[in-house]
Amino acid sequence: ILNVEQSPQSLHVQEGDSTNFTCSFPSSNFYALHWYRWETAKSPEALFVMTLNGDEKKKGRISATLNTKEGYSYLYIKGSQPEDSATYLCAFSDTGNQFYFGTGTSLTVIP
Amino acid sequence: NAGVMQNPRHLVRRRGQEARLRCSPMKGHSHVYWYRQLPEEGLKFMVYLQKENIIDESGMPKERFSAEFPKEGPSILRIQQVVRGDSAAYFCASSPSGRVREQYFGPGTRLTVT
Repeated sequence: ILNVEQSPQSLHVQEGDSTNFTCSFPSSNFYALHWYRWETAKSPEALFVMTLNGDEKKKGRISATLNTKEGYSYLYIKGSQPEDSATYLCAFSDTGNQFYFGTGTSLTVIP
Repeated sequence: NAGVMQNPRHLVRRRGQEARLRCSPMKGHSHVYWYRQLPEEGLKFMVYLQKENIIDESGMPKERFSAEFPKEGPSILRIQQVVRGDSAAYFCASSPSGRVREQYFGPGTRLTVT
């Protein structure tokens, strides 16, 4: 069983603050690292897929980086807004195309 | 292009009954994954299927659970003789063929066993 760990488990920030969270994954048999945004009562929505060491992806105020050698990825949110409140999941996929999910970071942005 | 569809969205079963959960992948997607989310826990992989084949079922409980993805029609996750501990949200995701298989999730089926 592969371990994907996310930290922190939960986070409360004020509107306008920037924040970041971490996903740690095994560095062997790496294929891709996925970030999802999961709002309550909805299904997880794909944010980014990253495959190469050093990859950086950006979508609006959200960006992500990837370090496959040391096995971590960071997700950054600049100028958090209340609508950013959600659980952010990362998933590691290996060369067998199995997906291993972390338990997520729950973000609450306080207006 | 319709997204991943799951039905029913909510299912109530009494202990000992069978539960059948259906997942229709996105058009053109030939890979289906089933996940379970138990209360207060994250998504746990159950099974990965391609059309007519189970690729990886390492996350499936050994008894009472089965999954199929026939040539025609939706993927089915079947739970026989349900117990209270089966109460959970079951999510299906589909992905296209290709090197990097980004997964698209359905809305989930919430199973309650009474």
